[in-house]
Amino acid sequence: AQRVTQPEKLLSVFKGAPVELKCNYSYSGSPELFWYVQYSRQRLQLLLRHISRESIKGFTADLNKGETSFHLKKPFAQEEDSAMYYCALAGGGNKLTFGTGTQLKVEL
Amino acid sequence: GAVVSQHPSRVICKSGTSVKIECRSLDFQATTMFWYRQFPKQSLMLMATSNEGSKATYEQGVEKDKFLINHASLTLSTLTVTSAHPEDSSFYICSASGGSGVTDTQYFGPGTRLTVL
Repeated sequence: AQRVTQPEKLLSVFKGAPVELKCNYSYSGSPELFWYVQYSRQRLQLLLRHISRESIKGFTADLNKGETSFHLKKPFAQEEDSAMYYCALAGGGNKLTFGTGTQLKVEL
Repeated sequence: GAVVSQHPSRVICKSGTSVKIECRSLDFQATTMFWYRQFPKQSLMLMATSNEGSKATYEQGVEKDKFLINHASLTLSTLTVTSAHPEDSSFYICSASGGSGVTDTQYFGPGTRLTVL
C-alpha cells in the first residue's frame, strides 16, 4: 500500500522567511513524487515533480529515499505563496495518492 | 494548454435521484481520466480510473453500481451518482492525462459540488 503523510495542517510564516512543507511517503516500489498547489478558489495544479528536478516559483523539493521524504522548500516566502499544498505519490497505473494537505499562510 | 472542464460546477438534488457530472479535456486527448472525491478539509480520495473505451477500475470500497463511470471518447468522461443520498454530498473532482509516459501529468478540473437534500 502507498501512503503520503503531511504532518502539518497549517503552516504560518512571515513574508521573506524560509518555508518548508513536510511530506513523507510509504511505498514499496520506486516512487514518483509530486507537489500540487491549490490557490484560493482555483483548481488543483501541478507545482513540481521530483523527476524533473526543477524549481518552480522558487520552490524546490528533493526526494530523499533514505528518509522517505519529499519536503517542499522555498528560501523566501512571498504573500502570493499562500495556498493549500498537497504532496502526492504515483504508484502503479499512474494513480495518485494524496496527502492531507498543508495550508500555507504567508503573513506580512 | 491542458485544460479540463467539469459541468455542472454545483448541483443540488433530491434524495433518490441520479446526477450526472461531465469531465472534458478541452485541448488534448485524455487516454485516462480519474475521478476523486474530497470531503471538507480532507484530501482527495481516488474513486476510479477510466480509460477510453474500457470499463472503469474502481478503488476498494467504491461501489461501481452507485458511481457509474463512462469514458466514451478521448475528451469526455461522465460520473453518474445513482439514487443519490445525503451521504453522497461531496466535492467531486476529475483529472485527465493523455501522454504516453508511464506517469503522466494529471490536469485537474475545477470540481463539482454535489448537495443531496
